[in-house]
Order: sequence, then C-alpha cells, then structure tokens
Amino acid sequence: DTGVSQDPRHKITKRGQNVTFRCDPISEHNRLYWYRQTLGQGPEFLTYFQNEAQLEKSRLLSDRFSAERPKGSFSTLEIQRTEQGDSAMYLCASSFPGAGGDLRLAKNIQYFGAGTRLSVL
Amino acid sequence: QKEVEQNSGPLSVPEGAIASLNCTYSDRGSQSFFWYRQYSGKSPELIMFIYSNGDKEDGRFTAQLNKASQYVSLLIRDSQPSDSATYLCAVINPQFYFGTGTSLTVIP
Repeated sequence: DTGVSQDPRHKITKRGQNVTFRCDPISEHNRLYWYRQTLGQGPEFLTYFQNEAQLEKSRLLSDRFSAERPKGSFSTLEIQRTEQGDSAMYLCASSFPGAGGDLRLAKNIQYFGAGTRLSVL
Repeated sequence: QKEVEQNSGPLSVPEGAIASLNCTYSDRGSQSFFWYRQYSGKSPELIMFIYSNGDKEDGRFTAQLNKASQYVSLLIRDSQPSDSATYLCAVINPQFYFGTGTSLTVIP
C-alpha cells in the first residue's frame, strides 16, 4: 500500500453539474477525512468517518455536499449542482486507529492523498 | 476569531540559518498539535506532532508547545533550499483546524 489515493486528480465541470470524487485510504486506517483547500488558505475540514460511520460534519458544509463510506474502506464525496465557488482542491486524509472515540485525545496523525483539483466553469 | 492563527509570511532566511515559524490557537481545550509541510501544488505532509508542553526534536526540526500561552512553534535548523514550502499548523478541538500557513523561502 503506497498511501492514500484519490481519483480523479483533476476535474473540470460546468456550473450546475454533479461531480463525485473517490478516496482510497491506507488499508489499516479506520478514519477518513475530507478537506477543501483554496489558494492561500489552509485545508478546511468538511467531514470525518470512523469505519462506515460519519461522525463529524462541518456546519459550513452545504447540503449540496454529501459523503459516504459504505463499507468502511473507500469513500466518495459528491457535490450536486456545482457552483463556481466550489472550485478548490479536495483533499482526503486517513489515520491509524486511535484509542476511544474522542478525536482530541487520540494520537491522530493524518496522511493526505494528492487531492482532486476541481474547476467549475 | 479563527481557531488557528499563523503569520502568512513570506518568511525568508539564508541557507544554513534557523527558521522560526509560529502559531497560536484560540481554544485552551486543544490537545494535539501538528506541523505539516506543503509544497506548491502538492498535498500536506506531516513534519512534527506534539502533545505535551515543552520541546520535541526530530532531526533538524524542533516543535515547541506552550499551552499556557496557547502557542506552538516550529524551528528548522540549518535551513536548506528544499525546506522552501508552506508550513501549516493544525490543532484538534474536536475537529481538525488548520492555519492558513506560513510561506518559507530559504535563499541559497
């Protein structure tokens, strides 16, 4: 296993179209995260899974965004009715199992994929 | 107020010098702190993590944590041109919050 992989690497779409991204985490990792990053900004947390359960979702996340991790392995992030403001790099990260469910206490080192760059025209 | 604040820079240091990168966080409940390096167009890669007050050293990198002052720093000794990148500070509380990053340029 060479790390977290994301597909596609680049996506160009027209405004109003739906897009779906895929993330395959490191195989031993049970936690998976999605972030969005725009130029000059740090990654912005979107959502987080532990196994197949979606445990955290940013309050900033529009209802046009949905994420799934049906079998606790790979995850998909879908954006419906894309807008130009959705143009960004979408990053996926995964981490080793931590003790307990409290993210604050777990030694939760995240490993990032290469990202999917979305351009909405 | 943002959860994590960093000086966006750019910070320029000559090759061989010490680069000092700083980060402050707003919530005293934050427990875990990370430094990531991000090259232009690439994804973040972990440099250091620290959970306890004090210093933690790994090669040319030293992370410093002062929970009373809500301050985390990263020192890079003997800076190399290959260290030129954006350095992101991140904290967990309870989600992950990243700063905007500090751009570092090491001049040969």
